[in-house]
Amino acid sequence: AQSVSQHNHHVILSEAASLELGCNYSYGGTVNLFWYVQYPGQHLQLLLKYFSGDPLVKGIKGFEAEFIKSKFSFNLRKPSVQWSDTAEYFCAVNAAGNNRKLIWGLGTSLAVNP
Amino acid sequence: DVKVTQSSRYLVKRTGEKVFLECVQDMDHENMFWYRQDPGLGLRLIYFSYDVKMKEKGDIPEGYSVSREKKERFSLILESASTNQTSMYLCASSLYSGTSGRDTQYFGPGTRLTVL
Repeated sequence: AQSVSQHNHHVILSEAASLELGCNYSYGGTVNLFWYVQYPGQHLQLLLKYFSGDPLVKGIKGFEAEFIKSKFSFNLRKPSVQWSDTAEYFCAVNAAGNNRKLIWGLGTSLAVNP
Repeated sequence: DVKVTQSSRYLVKRTGEKVFLECVQDMDHENMFWYRQDPGLGLRLIYFSYDVKMKEKGDIPEGYSVSREKKERFSLILESASTNQTSMYLCASSLYSGTSGRDTQYFGPGTRLTVL
């Protein structure tokens, strides 16, 4: 069965530190990849997505993610985090040709200390 | 912008009550979803619907049912609420993009349900 794993469940950083959140999926075919973010008290929203083309995609608020097909990974990065990046981050995958559902990781809770 | 609204932000019910959670989207999306979100368990799909009156079970459908009588509205029903159904319930919708799997889901604000 397809699955998505996020390596870190809780991450604590200081402001200006660099961030990398890991996401790996298990599916050998063509995939569509998503990162969603949920800020405290807000609804889940799309951060960025990858469908095809340049494997380095940029999203909102200075986030980017790199798709490495050989590693089945889609890691999220930000060079310098801010206190306002405190949130829960979810990686999700949809296999092309699959039904309309997303397979979700369990999420990573990020706390940024000012 | 896509807007997905949910009928209540907070709801408190008693064990055994029948509970209705409503979700409305305004972008003519074919797909609608109900998830529950619990700490450490991520998002778990309860049911989804890909057309009016069509539904499919997700990963945890037990104790829930759904209704989709109109395209824009998707209701989640707890037939007899139990304390283990205390959770955050999220509704989402997406436009069907065909077999490419590129549907992007848009979420409502969530309903925090407490069952006493």
